[in-house]
Amino acid sequence: EAGVAQSPRYKIIEKRQSVAFWCNPISGHATLYWYQQILGQGPKLLIQFQNNGVVDDSQLPKDRFSAERLKGVDSTLKIQPAKLEDSAVYLCASRSLGTGWVETQYFGPGTRLLVL
Amino acid sequence: GDSVTQMEGPVTLSEEAFLTINCTYTATGYPSLFWYVQYPGEGLQLLLKATKADDKGSNKGFEATYRKETTSFHLEKGSVQVSDSAVYFCALTPRGETSGSRLTFGEGTQLTVNP
Repeated sequence: EAGVAQSPRYKIIEKRQSVAFWCNPISGHATLYWYQQILGQGPKLLIQFQNNGVVDDSQLPKDRFSAERLKGVDSTLKIQPAKLEDSAVYLCASRSLGTGWVETQYFGPGTRLLVL
Repeated sequence: GDSVTQMEGPVTLSEEAFLTINCTYTATGYPSLFWYVQYPGEGLQLLLKATKADDKGSNKGFEATYRKETTSFHLEKGSVQVSDSAVYFCALTPRGETSGSRLTFGEGTQLTVNP
């Protein structure tokens, strides 16, 4: 079974520029998450989708971050304009909806963003 | 809100030494608890999990027991190997969210095992 795919793996931009990240979850996984992992910290949830609907975006800085999951499969996360403090690894994860509610989240390799 | 606190790192051990990484949590109700591992250059992988009090999760020689009375989920391994060198994250999911299950992570503990 293919894992969660993310691209690009690395991105360097200057502040005030825009950037977009792409995620393709595991086939059939209804729930998709975007996390931000700042160096030396644990991942922090930015947004959670179930199919193409937003379940939780309470920690998403909506003035500059946006995300969408058209057709309930792939997702994109955008930052516009970027700030220095956005330098981090952006992780995508997906999860199936089974009979139990503690199904495992599967993580992609992440996109490492450096804002100069 | 929910939170997870891990022991400060980094941790450096010799091969075959005993490992303990402490993890305590704060949450309403009875969360599910997880340990994730991040090997150099790779994504996060689930190492083990426990869903209720006194459950013991185990995998690859690692163990952790869900202790409700001390709100802890310490990770242990009897004999570490060089290949165990990685960053270890303790995490929780609150109970009762049938469509959510967001993970709240600790800060992570860097483990280095020397031959």
